[in-house]
Amino acid sequence: AQKVTQAQTEISVVEKEDVTLDCVYETRDTTYYLFWYKQPPSGELVFLIRRNSFDEQNEISGRYSWNFQKSTSSFNFTITASQVVDSAVYFCALSVLNSGGSNYKLTFGKGTLLTVNP
Amino acid sequence: NAGVTQTPKFQVLKTGQSMTLQCAQDMNHNSMYWYRQDPGMGLRLIYYSASEGTTDKGEVPNGYNVSRLNKREFSLRLESAAPSQTSVYFCASSEGIQGSQYFGPGTRLTVT
Repeated sequence: AQKVTQAQTEISVVEKEDVTLDCVYETRDTTYYLFWYKQPPSGELVFLIRRNSFDEQNEISGRYSWNFQKSTSSFNFTITASQVVDSAVYFCALSVLNSGGSNYKLTFGKGTLLTVNP
Repeated sequence: NAGVTQTPKFQVLKTGQSMTLQCAQDMNHNSMYWYRQDPGMGLRLIYYSASEGTTDKGEVPNGYNVSRLNKREFSLRLESAAPSQTSVYFCASSEGIQGSQYFGPGTRLTVT
């Protein structure tokens, strides 16, 4: 069975603060992919990052950075110098495809609502 | 490029009515997906199509059917709508299964 836990249901920060969104996953598969998506108040879902289980290098994209640690089964997302436009629900997701190529499973966490106040 | 488009944007059905949600992508992606999003539940996969000509069940397929009409289009059908199917439905596509998914704008469906 696989599971994604985003323990923080809501986070509120003041603009320019750094904020980290936690994601912990469970899977027995050794090959899997992890994702982060953003859902702003307008409702659309925006892809942010995809990372495979063999690539533990941290990634930075502008003010966004991701820390993948297999030892703790975590894939945390940090926003540096947060802005009001970062206010959104952020989802972490895990996908697994078994070695036979069938039985694809994709599991989303329940999301973290980030509110950045001016 | 329009990306992923969905029609309609909003729909109200009465219990027992049927309808089809349409989805099309212009990114030449092989894989397409249907999700539902409910408050407190996150997104749950209903059905997916890894490639043209194939469809498979996701986490919550009961009450739904899908058709991968061609590489571009993937429709979701509710044969006999129930209030439990009130939700926001998202279609997505990716280059391959497990690829980065790009989502449509969603369809808000209410079943009374």
